Amino acid sequence: QVQLQESGPGLVKPSETLSLTCTVSYGSISNYHWGWIRQPPEKGLEWIGYISYTGATSYNPSLKSRVTISLDTPNNRFSLRLMSVTAADTAVYYCVRVVTGTSNYDHWGQGILVTVSS
Amino acid sequence: QAALTQPASVSGSPGQSITISCTGTTSDVGAYKYVSWYQQHPGKAPKVMIYDVSNRPSGVSNRFSGSKSGNTASLTISGLQAEDEADYYCTSYTSSGTYVFGTGTKVTVL
Repeated sequence: QVQLQESGPGLVKPSETLSLTCTVSYGSISNYHWGWIRQPPEKGLEWIGYISYTGATSYNPSLKSRVTISLDTPNNRFSLRLMSVTAADTAVYYCVRVVTGTSNYDHWGQGILVTVSS
Repeated sequence: QAALTQPASVSGSPGQSITISCTGTTSDVGAYKYVSWYQQHPGKAPKVMIYDVSNRPSGVSNRFSGSKSGNTASLTISGLQAEDEADYYCTSYTSSGTYVFGTGTKVTVL
């Protein structure tokens, strides 16, 4: 059973860059899409973007100028970078696996809370 | 991209059926079969319940079903149980090649 685990700092200062990594265990990066979704405290889910196993990316238009998602296939992991963060970027960040060609976000990490504060 | 519209809350008694709507536009829900539904219990990661409008993943109870008509997708939970009490979110592929989530619905079992 594939498992996803987010890692990274839980506290980021305003105007700095948020960097998270998702490690994929018991499964291969190949033949799936890999994405990030976030949830501000007490609020709903927000789609950040995803990357295909070929490296093609798609981002939420409202975040596109600040976001980069990248693959590290040899190490079976992928990453999120979000630049110039503000308090509005405080959220639980989830990494997810998407079955290519479907809307099935079938595996999720447990989530990591990232707080933006000085 | 504007969030899909869901009712803030839906409630029902054990054994009843409830339906949650998810309204979008001709650029998302109305245009594609790529609509999925997620259940989220407090403090937990979401779990897929329905994908591609009406497909149920292995292991998900057949009490959950999905459908779509025009720009509105729906999730129906039949034989409501206490364990179904949770937040539910829809999501849809869009004409921009992205996904957008719904506003979320809190289901309460009375």
